[in-house]
Amino acid sequence: KNEVEQSPQNLTAQEGEFITINCSYSVGISALHWLQQHPGGGIVSLFMLSSGKKKHGRLIATINIQEKHSSLHITASHPRDSAVYICAVPAAGNKLTFGGGTRVLVKP
Amino acid sequence: DGGITQSPKYLFRKEGQNVTLSCEQNLNHDAMYWYRQDPGQGLRLIYYSQIVNDFQKGDIAEGYSVSREKKESFPLTVTSAQKNPTAFYLCASSRWGGDQPQHFGDGTRLSIL
Repeated sequence: KNEVEQSPQNLTAQEGEFITINCSYSVGISALHWLQQHPGGGIVSLFMLSSGKKKHGRLIATINIQEKHSSLHITASHPRDSAVYICAVPAAGNKLTFGGGTRVLVKP
Repeated sequence: DGGITQSPKYLFRKEGQNVTLSCEQNLNHDAMYWYRQDPGQGLRLIYYSQIVNDFQKGDIAEGYSVSREKKESFPLTVTSAQKNPTAFYLCASSRWGGDQPQHFGDGTRLSIL
């Protein structure tokens, strides 16, 4: 079974700071997912990537398949970015194995 | 707009009662999933279904049951056999096959009275 580790578990930043969240996994994969969980509990899929880098607005996700590592960056962070960010990797079939999440708080 | 609807948002159960959580999707997805989330822990898979009238146990299926009579609906019943049912429950759906993004509902928070 793939073990998924995220770091840090908690992160506090001032508005405008650059934020990096890391995700490592133990078994080779074809793609990795980054999800955002809002304070109310709902989850939104941010990225699914299999190589290189993807960018959406102020969010950038990178993956290094050889090193089994992915990072999620938030540029010019804003209080509305406060959420839990979760990485997930495929298990058998379409199932996912999830990391424990990184709780991000951006202070104004 | 297409999406996943979970209801209710908050649910309270008395000891010994079964309760059913609703999950409906209008995304025409074949696959649907139920996850449980506990404070400080990652999501864990309870049950999943690849197709109508078929479903499979996930990692923590004991004390839960599901049905998939319609493509759009995948209700989860938390039975009295589930000894620690207080948690946040999330439903998701996706296309089946290859790497597919999963679309999530807003969740149901279940508490024991």
